Amino acid sequence: EAGVTQSPTHLIKTRGQQATLRCSPISGHTSVYWYQQALGLGLQFLLWYDEGEERNRGNFPPRFSGRQFPNYSSELNVNALELEDSALYLCASSLARSGYTFGSGTRLTVV
Amino acid sequence: AQRVTQPEKLLSVFKGAPVELKCNYSYSGSPELFWYVQYSRQRLQLLLRHISRESIKGFTADLNKGETSFHLKKPFAQEEDSAMYYCALSRVNQGGKLIFGQGTELSVKP
Repeated sequence: EAGVTQSPTHLIKTRGQQATLRCSPISGHTSVYWYQQALGLGLQFLLWYDEGEERNRGNFPPRFSGRQFPNYSSELNVNALELEDSALYLCASSLARSGYTFGSGTRLTVV
Repeated sequence: AQRVTQPEKLLSVFKGAPVELKCNYSYSGSPELFWYVQYSRQRLQLLLRHISRESIKGFTADLNKGETSFHLKKPFAQEEDSAMYYCALSRVNQGGKLIFGQGTELSVKP
């Protein structure tokens, strides 16, 4: 069984640009979660999608957005990139009431 | 407010010594507690969850509701235990987001 896959592995953008990060959950998992892991800040919850709907949102500005597709895969979009958006972005999936399975992450660097 | 606190950023022990990674939480409802581990160059993975009451790789953790703690323990540390450990909390049986602590880096020296 394939795990949670994220693409791209690395992404370099300039300040002001937009970034799109992708996540494919484990087959059968309906929930997708996005986390930001910035240096020294631990894992900060960004977004939770379940059955195509946004269920919860962390304390991030609106330029962080996303969506979940009918096949349960998900996109995270970050608009108007700022230098402090540089971080590892982790995606996780779960089936209701089960634990998370994490992907390897996308390393976003904003220059 | 929901919060998970791991007071130690770095914990360094010698091989064979006991290990205790501390985790305290604040939560108004019934929490479900987890420990996740991230070995070097590997993805974050679940180590154990309190409702399972199991021992994984020699690690155990007991939920102490009176002290709002969920400390991770191992009687004899091994070099391969060196990793980043995160304590996390969610609502019982309701899925949803996990709140993570800041993490503790465990370094086991030979």
